[in-house]
Amino acid sequence: DAGVIQSPRHEVTEMGQEVTLRCKPISGHDYLFWYRQTMMRGLELLIYFNNNVPIDDSGMPEDRFSAKMPNASFSTLKIQPSEPRDSAVYFCASSWSRGDAFFGQGTRLTVV
Amino acid sequence: QQQVKQSPQSLIVQKGGIPIINCAYENTAFDYFPWYQQFPGKGPALLIAIRPDVSEKKEGRFTISFNKSAKQFSLHIMDSQPGDSATYFCAASRGSARQLTFGSGTQLTVLP
Repeated sequence: DAGVIQSPRHEVTEMGQEVTLRCKPISGHDYLFWYRQTMMRGLELLIYFNNNVPIDDSGMPEDRFSAKMPNASFSTLKIQPSEPRDSAVYFCASSWSRGDAFFGQGTRLTVV
Repeated sequence: QQQVKQSPQSLIVQKGGIPIINCAYENTAFDYFPWYQQFPGKGPALLIAIRPDVSEKKEGRFTISFNKSAKQFSLHIMDSQPGDSATYFCAASRGSARQLTFGSGTQLTVLP
């Protein structure tokens, strides 16, 4: 397996634009997590899914953020409208139940 | 209750030294404590993990020491090498989802 695959690796967008980050988890994993990494706040959990169902989205900072998992092999994190303070590295991770999380390479988002 | 405190923020050692990174947690519901290693431009990668029913776990040059009564755990890197230079994160989790609460990270530099 190629591991968790995220796209794009880098995204530069203008304030107010919609941004969509994509993730393909490891095949067979039933948990998918979205984390955000910033210098100020470190690594923080945004939302996680179990069997494609969102379980806990309490970490999503605002209504501008939304995440979906339409099937077991694909998830998106959308920001609309984007703001400069959303600039961060966004990681997707996946795992089996009670298993260790495997992280993707991340998407570095810059909102100008 | 969800916070994991990590120290030091940065650490510089000579090759062959034994860097030690410390973490403390508050929530006694946590039941799994992994350490992740992150290189620049990469996602965090699992290094080693421990459950609170053991006091020490060793994998290669990496050792976790766990003190359940003090709610503290630490990472020791034996015979450190320049290739170990990275950012290290402790984390804590619970339940089947194992969603991670991360420490703030320690930037380790091993001088040749």
